[in-house]
Parts: sequence; structure tokens; C-alpha cells
Amino acid sequence: AQSVSQHNHHVILSEAASLELGCNYSYGGTVNLFWYVQYPGQHLQLLLKYFSGDPLVKGIKGFEAEFIKSKFSFNLRKPSVQWSDTAEYFCAVGLPGKLSFGAGTTVTVRA
Amino acid sequence: EAGVVQSPRYKIIEKKQPVAFWCNPISGHNTLYWYRQNLGQGPELLIRYENEEAVDDSQLPKDRFSAERLKGVDSTLKIQPAELGDSAVYLCASSPTTSSDTGELFFGEGSRLTVL
Repeated sequence: AQSVSQHNHHVILSEAASLELGCNYSYGGTVNLFWYVQYPGQHLQLLLKYFSGDPLVKGIKGFEAEFIKSKFSFNLRKPSVQWSDTAEYFCAVGLPGKLSFGAGTTVTVRA
Repeated sequence: EAGVVQSPRYKIIEKKQPVAFWCNPISGHNTLYWYRQNLGQGPELLIRYENEEAVDDSQLPKDRFSAERLKGVDSTLKIQPAELGDSAVYLCASSPTTSSDTGELFFGEGSRLTVL
């Protein structure tokens, strides 16, 4: 079945540590790829997106993601996290008519 | 610019009761989505509107769920009667683009439903 898989359900790390969240998708063809973030008590908001071009995309708050077509992956990275990065992170694939989301990864950053 | 507005933020009801959620999308956004997010899962599409037309309601449980977007602006999602398994966060999103190539969606804060 077509799906979006996020590798980690919950990640706990200390401030200044590096973060990498895995995302794989199983849809064929050309897709748009997204990472959304949901901070505690807030709405889902776009972190970054990839439509075409440079497979390394930069988003807000120092986040970046790399699209590797051969691996059907779109992993999210941040070199040095802050306490304020504590949130839930969702990978999503843009299909005709909708976004299809992964199950999400909860990231907890300890001060 | 105002974002997507949803109400109520929280609703607690007993099973078999009806419930309704309201959404006002970003001005000028023709496409409106209702998603459901169960605990520990990502959002899943229930229904998508292009203006006032429901163009994809294939995932909407039509025996108890209904939705409308009469004037192509705000929308209401109704559940009648509610079941325990309907406990979830109901998210509304809007987009300025048409459905052929899904771009960024703008989400509201969601309506958290608890069915007792």
C-alpha cells in the first residue's frame, strides 16, 4: 500500500545535539514533499517543502531536508537543536488532491 | 492575514450525541479540507472541497458524518450520532491552489473531540 513512513516515534535529545528524522514514502512518480511541525498548543505549520530542483532544501529555524529520489527518502536535519524545537514533526507527500502524512515524530529537547 | 479559524477548540460529549465543527478558511482560498487526527497518528483526509463542491469525500464515513460548504467559504463538519471511536482532533485546512498539484496547506488549530 502507498504510505509515508517516519522511522522514529519519539526522539529525546539535549540542546545543541544534532537532529535527523527519517521519512520514506512509497508513492511512485513525481511528488511534492513537505515537513510540517506542530509546537505544543499550536497549529500545524510548514517547516519546509521540496517541489523540484536542488534536493537539499532549507526551511525555517535552521532546518533542512534532503530528497534522495533513489531511496524515496526526505530526511529532516538540524545541526544544533534548541529547547524551543520541542514539537511534533510530520512528513507529508503531496498527492493529487491531498497531503498524505506520516504518523509523526515527537521530539523532546532537554535544556 | 488571519489564519484558518476553527471552533470549538474542545468538545466533550457522550456517545450517541451529535456534534458539529466549524471552519473559516483563509480569505481567497478556494480549496478546503477536513482531516482527522487520531492519537499518535498523522492527519487523514476526510473530505475536500473546491469552492462549494465536495470533490473528494471517499474517506468520509457517510453513515454518521456529513459536511457542507454552502457558499464556498466557511464549512461545517457534523457527526451524528458520535461513537467512542470518533474521539480525535478534527483539523481544517485551506489552500489557494486547485487539486491537480497539491502545494502547501494552511491548518487551523483543530477541534479536539472526546466522546465518553
